[in-house]
Amino acid sequence: SQKIEQNSEALNIQEGKTATLTCNYTNYSPAYLQWYRQDPGRGPVFLLLIRENEKEKRKERLKVTFDTTLKQSLFHITASQPADSATYLCALMDTGRRALTFGSGTRLQVQP
Amino acid sequence: KAGVTQTPRYLIKTRGQQVTLSCSPISGHRSVSWYQQTPGQGLQFLFEYFSETQRNKGNFPGRFSGRQFSNSRSEMNVSTLELGDSALYLCASSSTGGLRTSGTDTQYFGPGTRLTVL
Repeated sequence: SQKIEQNSEALNIQEGKTATLTCNYTNYSPAYLQWYRQDPGRGPVFLLLIRENEKEKRKERLKVTFDTTLKQSLFHITASQPADSATYLCALMDTGRRALTFGSGTRLQVQP
Repeated sequence: KAGVTQTPRYLIKTRGQQVTLSCSPISGHRSVSWYQQTPGQGLQFLFEYFSETQRNKGNFPGRFSGRQFSNSRSEMNVSTLELGDSALYLCASSSTGGLRTSGTDTQYFGPGTRLTVL
């Protein structure tokens, strides 16, 4: 069956360190993968998209990698700040059904 | 541009009742998708509408339905509410042009409607 797995345990790191979040998927052939940020009580906010033919994408302090052989994406936040504390969701486009499928998200807590 | 708006923000209903939630997409966006988010199941896709037509549907029972109007505004309805329907219902709009192989379907989410079923 199709699965998108993100670490359900919260990730706690110190301010200034690099946070690395993992998204693994099974039985998908995604055309692209997206990362979203969600704060409590709010809808997710789009951060980055990476296509299947791209290895890495950067945006300011954010970096995403995509390894279609390992079926994995890594999401990095460098020089993390307490304001980066949130839940981060990865999402794949299921081309057969034209619907984004989301992982369950990983909560990041950046300690000052 | 104004973002996606959803009304109401909070709703309390009892089992057996029905509910209608409303969503106004970003101006110019023709695709509207609905998601249910619960702590146990995460964010799950309900359905997508494009130009007043349901283009895609998730694995939810027929009690969940929706529609889209000519101005792209959308409503979703849940009939015969169950306790398990308590969730955050999120609407998202996208500017995707409608071709299945093009676009990136970046979803712009509203703040959600928090539905509590007692």
